[in-house]
Amino acid sequence: GENVEQHPSTLSVQEGDSAVIKCTYSDSASNYFPWYKQELGKRPQLIIDIRSNVGEKKDQRIAVTLNKTAKHFSLHITETQPEDSAVYFCAAPITGSARQLTFGSGTQLTVLP
Amino acid sequence: DADVTQTPRNRITKTGKRIMLECSQTKGHDRMYWYRQDPGLGLQLIYYSFDVKDINKGEISDGYSVSRQAQAKFSLSLESAIPNQTALYFCATSAGLAVSYNEQFFGPGTRLTVL
Repeated sequence: GENVEQHPSTLSVQEGDSAVIKCTYSDSASNYFPWYKQELGKRPQLIIDIRSNVGEKKDQRIAVTLNKTAKHFSLHITETQPEDSAVYFCAAPITGSARQLTFGSGTQLTVLP
Repeated sequence: DADVTQTPRNRITKTGKRIMLECSQTKGHDRMYWYRQDPGLGLQLIYYSFDVKDINKGEISDGYSVSRQAQAKFSLSLESAIPNQTALYFCATSAGLAVSYNEQFFGPGTRLTVL
């Protein structure tokens, strides 16, 4: 969506290394930023989200950081494993809307053994 | 387990045909969504509904219509299908709580091909 830019579109890392995916958004009033994981042939599933009242949130090997000043948020995956290979989508509220999300274009993460 | 289901899972149709995609959920959620997924374009919102009497257009509603028949059912129709509507379609639901945004739960998807 035009409100969210996601980079990179593809990312390959060696097993055990870290992966970082970044999204930028345009609406400074945005207050909710989820990340979804979509394995090949499967449905997207939420893996972590953050609200604008915190700067970082962790859940085991994954974390999300939020920089409200720069209007960007990032997904960090540490100690990557082959099962982390998937497409990851970020999302943010659509500008001017209190009820819709717009999704980034996705990042294909490949973890090489 | 409470779930989101979609029918059909795959459909091939011809240009100009009317087609309906159906979504049902047993999660008890108020909010339902229809998305379209094309390679490299992420998920684009077509329509969404926050209760039975509420229908709203999303980013790409042209050529589509929806019906919210009940809290648990949300159907997407293509009145006259065209080839560029070939895509993977997802239904999703979320709880309607006090906060504006909550986790969205996706159905398994419907792969539509328009010849």
